[in-house]
Amino acid sequence: GENVEQHPSTLSVQEGDSAVIKCTYSDSASNYFPWYKQELGKRPQLIIDIRSNVGEKKDQRIAVTLNKTAKHFSLHITETQPEDSAVYFCAASRGGGTSYGKLTFGQGTILTVHP
Amino acid sequence: GAVVSQHPSRVICKSGTSVKIECRSLDFQATTMFWYRQFPKQSLMLMATSNEGSKATYEQGVEKDKFLINHASLTLSTLTVTSAHPEDSSFYICSGGSQKAPNEQFFGPGTRLTVL
Repeated sequence: GENVEQHPSTLSVQEGDSAVIKCTYSDSASNYFPWYKQELGKRPQLIIDIRSNVGEKKDQRIAVTLNKTAKHFSLHITETQPEDSAVYFCAASRGGGTSYGKLTFGQGTILTVHP
Repeated sequence: GAVVSQHPSRVICKSGTSVKIECRSLDFQATTMFWYRQFPKQSLMLMATSNEGSKATYEQGVEKDKFLINHASLTLSTLTVTSAHPEDSSFYICSGGSQKAPNEQFFGPGTRLTVL
């Protein structure tokens, strides 16, 4: 089955700096890669996603890049703000068959943005 | 976006009792629903996948007789934790998938289960 590795486990930055979180996946058939932000005791919130036919996607301060050959994808947050502090999870899934839509999550990254 | 609700949000029960958690898709038909478990400071771990009208598919290591999943309609799935024990205390989150948004999952707010 799919295995998703996420690094780093914790990340501390100063307000205004950039933050980068990286994930690797094992299943070359995976074609959907979402990123979630989760605050304590809350549901995961989708912040950005990318599909395998795209190499990069950007939404204001957030961007995601995908390297299918190397099977890794990264989340980039620019101009970080204290409210960006949360746990971030990457995930991967593949379409079709019995695994349709099934997400495999990375281990999570605790991001702390210091004012 | 699509909305998923869960009930209850918190439940405390005694060891040996059963607890039912409901997951509803409010404004879309969830052809597939997923149940996750999240222990403190850990990631979401998929427990099972259910399609409306058919038996759930459980992940390796998840006891199907302990975690009963029913997906009787396109808007409702239930998870029953039978004979709960303290080690079952966790945050349980459901999500719904729709054919209109391939691969995407819409998460419920989660249920905090504490077994005494």
